[in-house]
Formats: sequence, structure tokens, C-alpha cells
Amino acid sequence: NAGVMQNPRHLVRRRGQEARLRCSPMKGHSHVYWYRQLPEEGLKFMVYLQKENIIDESGMPKERFSAEFPKEGPSILRIQQVVRGDSAAYFCASSPLAGGAYNEQFFGPGTRLTVL
Amino acid sequence: TQLLEQSPQFLSIQEGENLTVYCNSSSVFSSLQWYRQEPGEGPVLLVTVVTGGEVKKLKRLTFQFGDARKDSSLHITAAQTGDTGLYLCAGEETSGSRLTFGEGTQLTVNP
Repeated sequence: NAGVMQNPRHLVRRRGQEARLRCSPMKGHSHVYWYRQLPEEGLKFMVYLQKENIIDESGMPKERFSAEFPKEGPSILRIQQVVRGDSAAYFCASSPLAGGAYNEQFFGPGTRLTVL
Repeated sequence: TQLLEQSPQFLSIQEGENLTVYCNSSSVFSSLQWYRQEPGEGPVLLVTVVTGGEVKKLKRLTFQFGDARKDSSLHITAAQTGDTGLYLCAGEETSGSRLTFGEGTQLTVNP
């Protein structure tokens, strides 16, 4: 059973360009979460999605950032007009269900975004 | 937003020593998860604790969830160089499914 897959693993963009980060959850998982890890900082929640629905986007910056999880295909985190402060490691996690007793999340290897 | 304070931030010990990492909050979590992260990789789930007072063992690692579900600890017995890494605690908020992470404990076990 393959784990959470993210691509690309490394992404370099110039200021003003767009960055697209992809995440394929574990087989059987329909819940996807995106987290950001800034240099020398901890992991911070960004957004929680289910298929075709954004459940919680309270951690997303108000501008330039968007996320989707279509019916078919991977979840996409999109950053428009990137700035140097967007340089970070972006992690995707998936879980088989939400709520209930507890919610185990399994993480992908991350995408390291560098903005020049 | 609930906060998790993790301590110590850095820990350097000799092989064979014991250590404890603490994770504390003033808020209640429905569950708490411990992860280990290697450089350049994503966090790997070690254990999930759910019930107040719960103790789980994973070989030389012992995880405990506080009775009030506000704090947790990770104890490593007879540390080995292979235990070196960043240990993260993460709490599931009662109000939703996001995880709130501690800042991490960077453990170095010297030979």
C-alpha cells in the first residue's frame, strides 16, 4: 500500500511565478490536509479538504493561496505570484476518516519550495 | 487555536542514557500523536494516544497521555544513535480535525 505521495519534491520559482504542489493520498483515504513548515519553525495547518469540498481553510493566507481536491486526481495546493516568504516545506497528510474517536494523519515526504 | 508547548527544544545525550520529552497544553485534545521527522522527509507517525492516562509502548519508547488529556510525554530508554531525530507531538483539536503541532525536540544521541 503506497504511502502519501507528493510531487515535485523540490520546486524552484522566481518571484511572481506560480507554484503548483500535488498530493496523492494513501489508497482508501478521502481526507487531505496541507501543512507548511517555515525554516526554523514548526508545522502549521493550512487547509483540510475532502473530495470536491474545502472543510477548513482557516490556516490559509487570504491571498494568493488556494487548494482543491477534485473528484479525480490529486489534491493541488496553488500559490500565485510567489514571494520569497513563501519558501518553505509544504507537507500533505491524509486520513481515512475525520471525527469519531480520533484522526490519524499520515504525511507525505513534502515539497520544498524555494523562491528566488 | 490551541497551543502545544514541547520541551526541551534540544537534547544531546550519550548512547545508553534515558530521556523524556514533554508536550503540554492548557487545552484538552481528543487525541495526541507523536511523530518523528528526519531531515528532508515528512513526519512519520509513531503512536496515537486517545484515552486520558493511557500508556503505550513501542520497543524502548513509552508514550503517556495525561489524565486530563492536556499533556503527554515520550520516554526513551537506553537511547541509541539511531534514535537521533526531530520528535514532534501533535494534538487533534476537539473542535475539528486539524493537528496542532509542538515546536519539536531535536534529539541527538552521541556514540
